[in-house]
Amino acid sequence: GAGVSQSPSNKVTEKGKDVELRCDPISGHTALYWYRQSLGQGLEFLIYFQGNSAPDKSGLPSDRFSAERTGGSVSTLTIQRTQQEDSAVYLCASSLEQYGYTFGSGTRLTVV
Amino acid sequence: AQKVTQAQTEISVVEKEDVTLDCVYETRDTTYYLFWYKQPPSGELVFLIRRNSFDEQNEISGRYSWNFQKSTSSFNFTITASQVVDSAVYFCALSEARRGAQKLVFGQGTRLTINP
Repeated sequence: GAGVSQSPSNKVTEKGKDVELRCDPISGHTALYWYRQSLGQGLEFLIYFQGNSAPDKSGLPSDRFSAERTGGSVSTLTIQRTQQEDSAVYLCASSLEQYGYTFGSGTRLTVV
Repeated sequence: AQKVTQAQTEISVVEKEDVTLDCVYETRDTTYYLFWYKQPPSGELVFLIRRNSFDEQNEISGRYSWNFQKSTSSFNFTITASQVVDSAVYFCALSEARRGAQKLVFGQGTRLTINP
């Protein structure tokens, strides 16, 4: 597609459940990033994938968070045993190296 | 460690006024990139500009202009003759300039409201 697609756009889940957030990057973009934007906060880096290199997971807040990128394209961010503090907008971006990051519209996650 | 500070949390001006959004950054890298993004109410981040640390020339794009001053580690953004459609949250960001993908370090954002 023309842009970065994220699904679902909204997700409400009960505390303690697992959730999966999906990101379809722009075709041909070698790098894919996940960021989190909590209410009233800036954007917090979570993880990025670059080609076949090992992902940079330095921003993942806990071991409940994990992400994978299959076939160098689609990525899934998984949050296990969700907590209320996980409520945020999760943004995905893709790029050709550093030129022109393109962000998706995000997934708004609400943990109740 | 890299850090970006946007000291102005919220700014409110009347349409047609000029407004400047401040951005101060910290980095130990000698080469880096600076960015500005706009986040309208729809939520999607819109890329505005990328500036290489080697290029200190000011940039103008229509009503938008950017002032990069390495001496003060600042990369300020000015909107001239503001319009209601400029209302959004604006983020300044920084990344290393090494080859390959690099994460962006964002400031906290400045919420700009343009009143008619």
